[in-house]
Amino acid sequence: NAGVMQNPRHLVRRRGQEARLRCSPMKGHSHVYWYRQLPEEGLKFMVYLQKENIIDESGMPKERFSAEFPKEGPSILRIQQVVRGDSAAYFCASSPFGVGQESGNTIYFGEGSWLTVV
Amino acid sequence: AQKVTQAQTEISVVEKEDVTLDCVYETRDTTYYLFWYKQPPSGELVFLIRRNSFDEQNEISGRYSWNFQKSTSSFNFTITASQVVDSAVYFCALIRTNNDMRFGAGTRLTVKP
Repeated sequence: NAGVMQNPRHLVRRRGQEARLRCSPMKGHSHVYWYRQLPEEGLKFMVYLQKENIIDESGMPKERFSAEFPKEGPSILRIQQVVRGDSAAYFCASSPFGVGQESGNTIYFGEGSWLTVV
Repeated sequence: AQKVTQAQTEISVVEKEDVTLDCVYETRDTTYYLFWYKQPPSGELVFLIRRNSFDEQNEISGRYSWNFQKSTSSFNFTITASQVVDSAVYFCALIRTNNDMRFGAGTRLTVKP
């Protein structure tokens, strides 16, 4: 049973380009979360999605960032017109149920995607 | 407010020593969940433990043990007989029944041979 799969592991973009990060949740998991880890800092929540729905995007920057989790395929975190400050590790996590439900609410993380903006 | 504090930024021990990583949290909710994750140098986040707010039993898993005390809002993590492979950054995290998992800043543990 594969874990949470993220790709690419490393991505380099020039300022102004677009970055797309992909996340395939664990099999059977329909809840996806994205977190950002800035250098030498802890992780910060960005967005929580279920299939075809954004449930909570309170941690997403208002501009340039968007996320989706389509009916088919991986979840995508998209950053338009990247700037140097977007350089960070972006972690995707998944869980089988929403956090408010006791059973199975352990959240498993992928290996992260490291974005470098030059 | 919801907050997790890991006051120890860095800890260095010699192999076979015991080490405790502190985690103090703040929340007004009565239902919440606490987690510990390990981030080795390779960067991935490895799940270690989840504990809900109604279960104050301490847990032991091999060389790892966790002490959850609601009275002091702490969820400390102890590694017994540390090994070099334990060197990593360890994160404590809190999540309520919403979806915003709050992480502490992490404690970097270095175990020297």
